Amino acid sequence: EIVLTQSPATLSLSPGERATLSCRASQSVNNFLVWYQQKPGQAPRLLIYDASNRATGIPARFSGSGSGTDFTLTISSLEPEDFAVYYCQQRGTWPLTFGGGTRVDVK
Amino acid sequence: QVQLQQSGPGLVRPSGTLSLTCTVSGDSITSGHWCSWVRQFPGKGLEWIGEVYHTGNTNYNPSLKNRVTISLDKSRNQFSLNITSVTAADTAMYFCANRRSLTGFDPWGQGTLVTVSS
Repeated sequence: EIVLTQSPATLSLSPGERATLSCRASQSVNNFLVWYQQKPGQAPRLLIYDASNRATGIPARFSGSGSGTDFTLTISSLEPEDFAVYYCQQRGTWPLTFGGGTRVDVK
Repeated sequence: QVQLQQSGPGLVRPSGTLSLTCTVSGDSITSGHWCSWVRQFPGKGLEWIGEVYHTGNTNYNPSLKNRVTISLDKSRNQFSLNITSVTAADTAMYFCANRRSLTGFDPWGQGTLVTVSS
């Protein structure tokens, strides 16, 4: 199966700062990489699909990039509601797999 | 607006069968997406369990070997998860979700915490 490794495990930032999250795949997933946001007590929320396409209703401050094995989720300027855990997921090969997550918390 | 509502017991005895149902409103389960189940172990990440298409095609995570079955009830617009021979290691929050082939899991159910304990 394809293993997704997210880094860092925790990112401590202040509102207004830029967040850069990484997801690395153990083998190429082409651009079939998806990003989710999860807040405590909630289900994950779809943010980005196919590496760089924002899902419906997702603010423009969220952007994704990358292809092959290296991907990045960028939040250009953190809003208070953006402090959460972020997961990547590959949809290119069964079994579908998720990364271990990056927690973005308040510095 | 598509909504997924989960139902099922929160406590299952060891060696028993975990059974959950996901009822879909606002869309038909035959409209061309995968009906999926994902679980989240306490304080940890997400694990894809498996999925069923409206044609009846299924995909399962090999980690659950032959213990899992996901099925559709088209008349009730529902899909279900069954995991047999459960142990404490199956204790997790279980989510149902729709998955479009070209996007990702969206929307999700509210989640059901299932504890395996005697």
